[in-house]
Amino acid sequence: AQTVTQSQPEMSVQEAETVTLSCTYDTSENNYYLFWYKQPPSRQMILVIRQEAYKQQNATENRFSVNFQKAAKSFSLKISDSQLGDTAMYFCAPSQGGSEKLVFGKGTKLTVNP
Amino acid sequence: GAVVSQHPSRVICKSGTSVKIECRSLDFQATTMFWYRQFPKQSLMLMATSNEGSKATYEQGVEKDKFLINHASLTLSTLTVTSAHPEDSSFYICSAAQGFQGYGYTFGSGTRLTVV
Repeated sequence: AQTVTQSQPEMSVQEAETVTLSCTYDTSENNYYLFWYKQPPSRQMILVIRQEAYKQQNATENRFSVNFQKAAKSFSLKISDSQLGDTAMYFCAPSQGGSEKLVFGKGTKLTVNP
Repeated sequence: GAVVSQHPSRVICKSGTSVKIECRSLDFQATTMFWYRQFPKQSLMLMATSNEGSKATYEQGVEKDKFLINHASLTLSTLTVTSAHPEDSSFYICSAAQGFQGYGYTFGSGTRLTVV
């Protein structure tokens, strides 16, 4: 079964600073998709950013960007200019090759301090 | 944007009874929906893939007869927890993809089930 590792159970950052959340995964597929989702205290899952594995260019979405290293099977999320509203659980989720399933990591709890 | 509505948001039921959770795609058709279970402070665990017009595909270890899934239309999937026990208490979340899976999935707001 595919495994996803988020090695940082908890992280904190000061408002306006930058933080990077790590994610590694294993897969035997060549084409797949990777996602970062956030889950704030409301528990609503929100898509933060997505990456297509066959694209070398790292995805960016406003203050959010990824560092995708396909050979290393690494997919880290960088949050710039952190805001209090970024406080949430962040889950890395690659798609399981050949299917539409997502496999979620255990998550990183991010706290943004004022 | 795509919206997935999930109801109820909270439900309390007695042991031995059944409870139904609905997941609706409001502004798009979803041939496939997913049901997850999330324990406190843990990740999402995929329970089953709900396919419109056909039987659901369950993940290993998930009891098919306890967690009944019906996907009778392109906009509605239901999860029925049958003969509920306190250990079934959890947070259940559904999701659906609007078209191409690479665009990501939209999640419902979740249902907190408490079995007493």
